Amino acid sequence: NAGVTQTPKFQVLKTGQSMTLQCAQDMNHEYMSWYRQDPGMGLRLIHYSVGAGITDQGEVPNGYNVSRSTTEDFPLRLLSAAPSQTSVYFCASSYEMNTEAFFGQGTRLTVV
Amino acid sequence: GESVGLHLPTLSVQEGDNSIINCAYSNSASDYFIWYKQESGKGPQFIIDIRSNMDKRQGQRVTVLLNKTVKHLSLQIAATQPGDSAVYFCAPTGSGNTGKLIFGQGTTLQVKP
Repeated sequence: NAGVTQTPKFQVLKTGQSMTLQCAQDMNHEYMSWYRQDPGMGLRLIHYSVGAGITDQGEVPNGYNVSRSTTEDFPLRLLSAAPSQTSVYFCASSYEMNTEAFFGQGTRLTVV
Repeated sequence: GESVGLHLPTLSVQEGDNSIINCAYSNSASDYFIWYKQESGKGPQFIIDIRSNMDKRQGQRVTVLLNKTVKHLSLQIAATQPGDSAVYFCAPTGSGNTGKLIFGQGTTLQVKP
């Protein structure tokens, strides 16, 4: 049982490059979300989805795009990376909106 | 907007002592509360939850207390062990929320041997 799988685990980008952080879950969860974690800032919600085809913005959505074409996958896209996006990114899923969330192991992204 | 705050960013305790981690929330519509533990280099993991129709819930060595009147909850860890060293987050949610699972900054628990 894999749970929530994030790839890659580590990534270095140059300013202006684009990339997609992958997130997949095998628990048939409807609710998925992306967070970034910076020192002293806790976990901040970027985008979330309550089901396939439905996404919405969180606390810090600027510079990020998401889509949800399947229940299993919820990729996070950085269209033009900036140093301010250097962070650790976590994907989470839950059965419903207000139930226990399961987190992936994180992606550590550095933008130089 | 919604906010979640923990009273102390860092808590240092002696091994064997009890730990108390506090959390204040702003959304009075929150009716379900979860505590998560995040060990270094890992994603957060569920510890214990409590619903608003309760004011206390106990697990193994952990107890969560909820005071809805002042919008405050606490996590108590009995006989704190080195393996309890981690960052702890509370996450209020529930039917009144908009679907955004908001976390506070977290409290770092350091256990001294």
